[in-house]
Amino acid sequence: GAVVSQHPSWVICKSGTSVKIECRSLDFQATTMFWYRQFPKQSLMLMATSNEGSKATYEQGVEKDKFLINHASLTLSTLTVTSAHPEDSSFYICSARFPRDLETQYFGPGTRLLVL
Amino acid sequence: GQNIDQPTEMTATEGAIVQINCTYQTSGFNGLFWYQQHAGEAPTFLSYNVLDGLEEKGRFSSFLSRSKGYSYLLLKELQMKDSASYLCAPMDSNYQLIWGAGTKLIIKP
Repeated sequence: GAVVSQHPSWVICKSGTSVKIECRSLDFQATTMFWYRQFPKQSLMLMATSNEGSKATYEQGVEKDKFLINHASLTLSTLTVTSAHPEDSSFYICSARFPRDLETQYFGPGTRLLVL
Repeated sequence: GQNIDQPTEMTATEGAIVQINCTYQTSGFNGLFWYQQHAGEAPTFLSYNVLDGLEEKGRFSSFLSRSKGYSYLLLKELQMKDSASYLCAPMDSNYQLIWGAGTKLIIKP
């Protein structure tokens, strides 16, 4: 099956710093990537939909100036958590979709962020 | 609105069978997914149903009734490694997955 990677898998940072998370589709070109956040014992929450070459579409309640998404190529999307605070500590998961397969999302392994 | 309803937690015995039910309401429908999620890991795909009926894949089967907004995941010959959360995720008319909190399945020896 298709492979999606995320880097880093773990990050610990101080409050106020910015953290960049990369999502790569390793063996296919993904025109659309999704960013999710999951707090402990809660459901996945879609943060934004990222389309290559255009601005990301953010879900209601997600601050686009705080969670910067760049989808500069067909295989890479990045999520930057700017001025991170302890409440941003969460599990961030990306997924990628084939261009003509709207039903299937391939998930990355996730990035666990801890803001001290 | 869009809504998913699954039991929060279930317990079963190794070697037994367990059925995890899911009822849903979505704006439009483009199929329903079941994912398995181990603690601290991303979800992994188990099954996809778009038509009514039962889809069998090894020890796991998934059933869908679109008219009832109902699905279930059936796990047979339970193994300890099946202890995980199981996520029912229907896809709405915009091809977005709608996530519930999932069902935590605990397998006891």
